[in-house]
Amino acid sequence: QVQLQESGPGLVKPSETLSLTCTVSGASVSSDTYYWSWIRQPPGKGLEYIGYMYFSGTTRYNPSLKSRVTMSLDTSKNQFSLKLTSVTAADTAVYYCATSRAVRLEILDSWGQGTLVTVSS
Amino acid sequence: DIQMTQSPSTLSASVGDRVTITCRASQSISSWLAWYQQKPGKAPKLLIYKASSLESGVPSRFSGSGSGTEFTLSISSLQPDDFATYSCQQYNTYPWTFGQGTKVDIK
Repeated sequence: QVQLQESGPGLVKPSETLSLTCTVSGASVSSDTYYWSWIRQPPGKGLEYIGYMYFSGTTRYNPSLKSRVTMSLDTSKNQFSLKLTSVTAADTAVYYCATSRAVRLEILDSWGQGTLVTVSS
Repeated sequence: DIQMTQSPSTLSASVGDRVTITCRASQSISSWLAWYQQKPGKAPKLLIYKASSLESGVPSRFSGSGSGTEFTLSISSLQPDDFATYSCQQYNTYPWTFGQGTKVDIK
């Protein structure tokens, strides 16, 4: 069973960059078996898919966020990361990392517990 | 983007009740639909994929049905551990999108 844990600042100022890390156990981020995703949930709203990446470096972002999102892998630490630039209050949300198997990448098998990020000055 | 609409937003039920949650897609998504369970402070859990396939380890009291634009998640006999929020996700078209969630609480 893959386990994931998000970490990062809980408070980010408007116009700055949100940076989160997901630490993976039970699987390797450099494995071709898994895809690595980020999803967020604004307070009182539904989940929003941010994007995914693969060990090869392939990424696919939600077009609504594409201009501001970057995802990366750190194989030495078995982590993957999310950067979201030029944040506003609308980016306040619980951010989840998740994984899916390559044979069914759209289906999010395992999730982290989520981390709340508030955008405020 | 494909819009996913769940109903009801909140459902009050008792242990032992049969519960049904509906998810509607703004256009046909065939059977490319998943259901997740969320509890506060916990990792969301995959329950159902491809509209009706039960994920390994998920109790058989959970079932899914539907195709096209209308889908349902049913819990045959609600257990104390089932009080949670349930969300549907379409994966027919990228970006994958989710419903707003249905909270099942104690009557």
